[in-house]
Amino acid sequence: DQQVKQNSPSLSVQEGRISILNCDYTNSMFDYFLWYKKYPAEGPTFLISISSIKDKNEDGRFTVFLNKSAKHLSLHIVPSQPGDSAVYFCAASFRDDKIIFGKGTRLHILP
Amino acid sequence: GAVVSQHPSWVICKSGTSVKIECRSLDFQATTMFWYRQFPKQSLMLMATSNEGSKATYEQGVEKDKFLINHASLTLSTLTVTSAHPEDSSFYICSASIPGTGAYNEQFFGPGTRLTVL
Repeated sequence: DQQVKQNSPSLSVQEGRISILNCDYTNSMFDYFLWYKKYPAEGPTFLISISSIKDKNEDGRFTVFLNKSAKHLSLHIVPSQPGDSAVYFCAASFRDDKIIFGKGTRLHILP
Repeated sequence: GAVVSQHPSWVICKSGTSVKIECRSLDFQATTMFWYRQFPKQSLMLMATSNEGSKATYEQGVEKDKFLINHASLTLSTLTVTSAHPEDSSFYICSASIPGTGAYNEQFFGPGTRLTVL
C-alpha cells in the first residue's frame, strides 16, 4: 500500500515555463514533507521541505504547497531550466527519521 | 552541506558471491544511517535502519540474513549482500541524518552503488 503517491511518471515542460509536480499521501499522521531531485546513477539531493503546520514554503525558484485537507502537495519550479531535468521524489515522514518516498516523476525540460 | 560517500560506486559479481558496500559520513557523525534500494522506475525502498553500536532494524520483507548491515562506528555503515543472485541487482543508496538537529532531519544521501549480479 503506497502511502506516498506520485501519479505522473513523467512530465515535459517548455524551458522558461512553470513545472508543477504533484504528490498525494494517505497517512494523515505525516507531519513533514520533502522533495528530492535525482539524476541518473546518483543519490537523491534534498531540494525543499515543508512542515505540516505550513501551507507554503518558498526557496528561490522552488515553491512547495501543502493542502492538508486534500492530503496533497505540489512542487512548483519557475522558471524551468534545462538543469531541472531529473527525477523528482516526493517524500514524507512522521516524527522519526524514516522517510517514505513516492515513485518519482521524471521531469523533461524542453528547449 | 554534509557529505556521504559510498564505495564502490559500481560492482559486478558472480552469482553466489558476497558483496560489501560501504557508506561513510565524511564531515559529521551519524548515529543512524539508512539503506535504500531502487529498482528501475520504482521508488526508493527503505531496506533497514542502521544504528551505531546496535543491530539494524529491517523493514518488512527484507531478509536480514541476506542483507547484513554493520554500523561499527559513527561514520561507517556497511551493507553486505550475501550469496548474491541476479534478482539482487539494483541500485543501493545509503543516507544519514545529522543527529541533534531535530526530529525532521534532512537526509543526506550517498551517490549510490550499482550492483550487477551475473
